[in-house]
Amino acid sequence: SQQGEEDPQALSIQEGENATMNCSYKTSINNLQWYRQNSGRGLVHLILIRSNEREKHSGRLRVTLDTSKKSSSLLITASRAADTASYFCATDADNQGGKLIFGQGTELSVKP
Amino acid sequence: DTGVSQDPRHKITKRGQNVTFRCDPISEHNRLYWYRQTLGQGPEFLTYFQNEAQLEKSRLLSDRFSAERPKGSFSTLEIQRTEQGDSAMYLCASSLMGDTQYFGPGTRLTVL
Repeated sequence: SQQGEEDPQALSIQEGENATMNCSYKTSINNLQWYRQNSGRGLVHLILIRSNEREKHSGRLRVTLDTSKKSSSLLITASRAADTASYFCATDADNQGGKLIFGQGTELSVKP
Repeated sequence: DTGVSQDPRHKITKRGQNVTFRCDPISEHNRLYWYRQTLGQGPEFLTYFQNEAQLEKSRLLSDRFSAERPKGSFSTLEIQRTEQGDSAMYLCASSLMGDTQYFGPGTRLTVL
């Protein structure tokens, strides 16, 4: 079963613009992780935010977490063509042994 | 390369044949996870190990699927009597307890 719902399903922007992707989930969590996947490849871990954290930065990435609304967002600033990929949020829910429940992903296209 | 590796990267088989995939996790990681991903969807959890113990299996894992991690290091996933519906990307990930999961490149299975 899919816990995360991602919005939008697809996003097309110009190079240099910012991209925001949103993720909502249903149960209480230990942490939420964002991954990137290029077509036909494995998943690359981007960032992990714990349930007691509200915001985290890594380079051009900014992730926020609102546990009261059960939602998270991923912001990519100053996007590049190389950022074109699918982005997934995944939740590590309480008492679930660390297994991740993924959303369906946001397909980001950055046009040069 | 000290990341997660999977073998083979691609497998084409005929319906009814058995297939086996291998995953080598990051060496110090005690948890190993298997996921399955179909086109346009996020990965779905199949099973996970903590050391050599298989602690959880998804109901997606029918009787035709079996996974092992005999010495708490590498793991194998076997599918018996493959069906066309088994065609998917099979992803392996490892972590240190419930922390960040690092994924391998995946094994793409095509059942003809």
